[in-house]
Amino acid sequence: AQSVTQLGSHVSVSEGALVLLRCNYSSSVPPYLFWYVQYPNQGLQLLLKYTSAATLVKGINGFEAEFKKSETSFHLTKPSAHMSDAAEYFCAVSVSGGTSYGKLTFGQGTILTVHP
Amino acid sequence: GAGVSQSPSNKVTEKGKDVELRCDPISGHTALYWYRQSLGQGLEFLIYFQGNSAPDKSGLPSDRFSAERTGGSVSTLTIQRTQQEDSAVYLCASSLGRDSSYEQYFGPGTRLTVT
Repeated sequence: AQSVTQLGSHVSVSEGALVLLRCNYSSSVPPYLFWYVQYPNQGLQLLLKYTSAATLVKGINGFEAEFKKSETSFHLTKPSAHMSDAAEYFCAVSVSGGTSYGKLTFGQGTILTVHP
Repeated sequence: GAGVSQSPSNKVTEKGKDVELRCDPISGHTALYWYRQSLGQGLEFLIYFQGNSAPDKSGLPSDRFSAERTGGSVSTLTIQRTQQEDSAVYLCASSLGRDSSYEQYFGPGTRLTVT
């Protein structure tokens, strides 16, 4: 079975500051890793995904994440926060094979607040 | 193009009543997933469809929950004899296929409140 831990349920940054949202995963087989963003009263939108091609993954809206197998981490970063980045962010893991077939296991989410 | 749609967007029901939640996936997407988002449990997987078959129902919390998919398209999640702990946002997602690398596209969800 796989699991995801997001460190910090709330993160607050100033506009223009670095955004760092932490995600650690557990999986007995090579994982696929995802970051999703959820704005209030909306569904989830994919920011980026890791599928074993490149360890540094670039996504939409200036976000990127680096897969570090040795640390079992997939932290999300953005060099300069915008007010529009305020939302809840979810890290998720999926594996192929068995009956899982793409089923996503999510972390508990991190609410990002951006201050002017 | 059209994304995943869900109806109703909000549903308030009395404890003990049955409810049906609908999901219209993106055309051509063969895989369909239901998830539940609640304050206490976060985002949890409920059931996965490939075509009209459900190879993984492991996330359904009780036998009061059931789901079907017809024509490889629309899916309905039914909750019988609703309980207050069923209150949550129910999210549907679809993807091109069952491979884990495929992106899942999420609908806006149905917010269910059981009073």
